Amino acid sequence: AQSVAQPEDQVNVAEGNPLTVKCTYSVSGNPYLFWYVQYPNRGLQFLLKYITGDNLVKGSYGFEAEFNKSQTSFHLKKPSALVSDSALYFCAVRDGMDSSYKLIFGSGTRLLVRP
Amino acid sequence: KAGVTQTPRYLIKTRGQQVTLSCSPISGHRSVSWYQQTPGQGLQFLFEYFSETQRNKGNFPGRFSGRQFSNSRSEMNVSTLELGDSALYLCASSLDRGLSTDTQYFGPGTRLTVL
Repeated sequence: AQSVAQPEDQVNVAEGNPLTVKCTYSVSGNPYLFWYVQYPNRGLQFLLKYITGDNLVKGSYGFEAEFNKSQTSFHLKKPSALVSDSALYFCAVRDGMDSSYKLIFGSGTRLLVRP
Repeated sequence: KAGVTQTPRYLIKTRGQQVTLSCSPISGHRSVSWYQQTPGQGLQFLFEYFSETQRNKGNFPGRFSGRQFSNSRSEMNVSTLELGDSALYLCASSLDRGLSTDTQYFGPGTRLTVL
């Protein structure tokens, strides 16, 4: 069964510093991985995805993610954090390779960026 | 292009009642998926519709049902509400071209409170 794990409930970082939100995956076959962000009282916003190809994926709002097959990880990164990046971040994996699929989400990581 | 819209945004119901939530996908998107988000269980897949047919279903009781209309708009219904049904219900749409690069885009959600 496909699964993802987010080992940190919360990540604290100072504004201007680099940030990393961790995600590890367990899949059978090729992994299709996603990152979403959720602001208070909002739905999920798509940030980026890894399907195949380059291990460094660039996404929205300056975020990027590094796919590492040997470590089965897909960590979300940003070189310089902003206070406005404070939100709940979810890693997800696609379950199902045909047209009908669902997303399996991690438990989420709350990012707090202090001024 | 307008995003996924969900109505209503907030609902308060009492136990035993039923509720209907509505979702309008992004224009041109043909697949609609529903997820339930709770603090305890996180994000869980409910079901997915395409071309007015349910293609995939998560592990929820039969009290949870849905449908999709010819214009791809979708509704989900929960009958005989229980306190544990209090959650944020998220709708996601995707193009569904049968490609592995398909991405789900989420609406703002409907916050259901069962008293």
